[in-house]
Amino acid sequence: EPEVTQTPSHQVTQMGQEVILRCVPISNHLYFYWYRQILGQKVEFLVSFYNNEISEKSEIFDDQFSVERPDGSNFTLKIRSTKLEDSAMYFCASSTGLPGNTIYFGEGSWLTVV
Amino acid sequence: QKEVEQNSGPLSVPEGAIASLNCTYSDRGSQSFFWYRQYSGKSPELIMFIYSNGDKEDGRFTAQLNKASQYVSLLIRDSQPSDSATYLCAVLMNRDDKIIFGKGTRLHILP
Repeated sequence: EPEVTQTPSHQVTQMGQEVILRCVPISNHLYFYWYRQILGQKVEFLVSFYNNEISEKSEIFDDQFSVERPDGSNFTLKIRSTKLEDSAMYFCASSTGLPGNTIYFGEGSWLTVV
Repeated sequence: QKEVEQNSGPLSVPEGAIASLNCTYSDRGSQSFFWYRQYSGKSPELIMFIYSNGDKEDGRFTAQLNKASQYVSLLIRDSQPSDSATYLCAVLMNRDDKIIFGKGTRLHILP
């Protein structure tokens, strides 16, 4: 069964460092997303991406965040200068955009900022 | 502010009984509704989606949608210990292309 894959599964980084989280969405999907979940809290929307551009972003997705689809398969989230409060599980997701718009999630990348 | 509300629980249900999970949403124009299951430290796993009023059944799971009341629920029949998890209600908001999650309800099935 097709799945969304994410790397790394866990990353520890020092505050102020740049981090890139990588995702390979399901191959026939057209919409791509990043969500995050701080430990013990709800899953929060960060950004959606369609047709090679950001279609929507939340107030969390400020100037330190960026997304890119550098080739036909990868979808990346870059955090330019990490802060302690960026420590969270980051989920990549994708969907076809068809009616129902079912969104499938990757296994997540744990980011720990120290 | 567009919201999805769930009781955080924990909801304790004896093994074999029916677990009933509820969710309300604020955006009357919302189109599609999803239930995800999340085990601790894992990613959300889609259980069901529904976008028409009424009931939708899949195995032991039944999703119920009432758009007039802005209410969606999930019933789990013959509850098993492996059903113990957090259940996330998610809603595709009107004219948006993202889904918004509730905080989730922790379900604990008592052996």
